[in-house]
Amino acid sequence: QKEVEQNSGPLSVPEGAIASLNCTYSDRGSQSFFWYRQYSGKSPELIMFIYSNGDKEDGRFTAQLNKASQYVSLLIRDSQPSDSATYLCAVVKGNQFYFGTGTSLTVIP
Amino acid sequence: GAVVSQHPSWVICKSGTSVKIECRSLDFQATTMFWYRQFPKQSLMLMATSNEGSKATYEQGVEKDKFLINHASLTLSTLTVTSAHPEDSSFYICSASPLTPGLAGYTQYFGPGTRLTVL
Repeated sequence: QKEVEQNSGPLSVPEGAIASLNCTYSDRGSQSFFWYRQYSGKSPELIMFIYSNGDKEDGRFTAQLNKASQYVSLLIRDSQPSDSATYLCAVVKGNQFYFGTGTSLTVIP
Repeated sequence: GAVVSQHPSWVICKSGTSVKIECRSLDFQATTMFWYRQFPKQSLMLMATSNEGSKATYEQGVEKDKFLINHASLTLSTLTVTSAHPEDSSFYICSASPLTPGLAGYTQYFGPGTRLTVL
């Protein structure tokens, strides 16, 4: 079983819609959760992190963490074509950092 | 804040030569640095984790004699691909963390990557 699982997609949403990206993790002892965005040919950039159950909002992005169900999600409101990228979920447990394989998002104008 | 640079951004070399890639944390001290490799349309693959002043920890299947990592200071780590071959052509990305693993806020900031092409 993989530490972090993501649906590879591709996920397509129309411009202006809400994009919902999901990630599950296997170890209940995981402590920190991150979302990175990676444009094609570029390196990942950190979008958000969340440590506690519930929602955390930053601009058009909302991270949601549910430790009981072991999932973390990222909502992107008012999706823009510039949001088209691969989104990586990452989980930290102790001193180990685990990345998912990423979900490809395409926002259609 | 939390800027990581890499040099060079791209390099083309002949088969059999060695290539050194530098990773620097510009505005923080990095206790831990990571090296990844990514092939086209594939996910990140962790190669090794390095801590300043100690030997790097390599992931299974990564040849430590081929991929030499030196984390000489809290702001600089280098990856040397020795005797490079065409199959080593890839996108190499480093990342750095300003904090010790296990602490709240421990995260990775990525460099812009180095594209290596071996002819």
